[in-house]
Amino acid sequence: GAVVSQHPSWVICKSGTSVKIECRSLDFQATTMFWYRQFPKQSLMLMATSNEGSKATYEQGVEKDKFLINHASLTLSTLTVTSAHPEDSSFYICSASRTGGRETQYFGPGTRLLVL
Amino acid sequence: ELKVEQNPLFLSMQEGKNYTIYCNYSTTSDRLYWYRQDPGKSLESLFVLLSNGAVKQEGRLMASLDTKARLSTLHITAAVHDLSATYFCALGGGADGLTFGKGTHLIIQP
Repeated sequence: GAVVSQHPSWVICKSGTSVKIECRSLDFQATTMFWYRQFPKQSLMLMATSNEGSKATYEQGVEKDKFLINHASLTLSTLTVTSAHPEDSSFYICSASRTGGRETQYFGPGTRLLVL
Repeated sequence: ELKVEQNPLFLSMQEGKNYTIYCNYSTTSDRLYWYRQDPGKSLESLFVLLSNGAVKQEGRLMASLDTKARLSTLHITAAVHDLSATYFCALGGGADGLTFGKGTHLIIQP
């Protein structure tokens, strides 16, 4: 149990277009999901916390108008990269913890974005 | 602001040897996590440490937590090639996102 999926697993897009990434908890409910970004050979950086039914909380330095997050249900959060630029190319990983759970966060397989 | 420091950042070792990765952090936290990441892949959860003195072991890996020293260690015993990966410690969790260390890139050579 505790499986988190992401779609797509990789995407290539042109500069200026928007890309939507989905994060789903397949076998549990997740009130809160998290979005991270990882540049090559670097660590993971928390971008935002996604809460079901409310606005996302963004970390300092992350543009909320550029990275739109929607948490429409207890099993789905989406991250939309608007007007993507080459510097947005990265590995985007979501995680989720069980509603009411306090231990492990379960990570999705990640989405690799390349903006040309 | 929570800061998490790992060392070493890069480690090359031979099979059969023992070694320890260190994770220091700046403020108290409820939980400390260890993750493994293989190239091009996402994170695999290894351990969650919840209290001072906690020790967990899985195979050749053992993690411990000293909350007074704000230090966690990941010890590798008799390393094998399959353990080659990048290892991250992280703090936070629950309703909070995780703050990660920079990671330790481990290469185990035959």
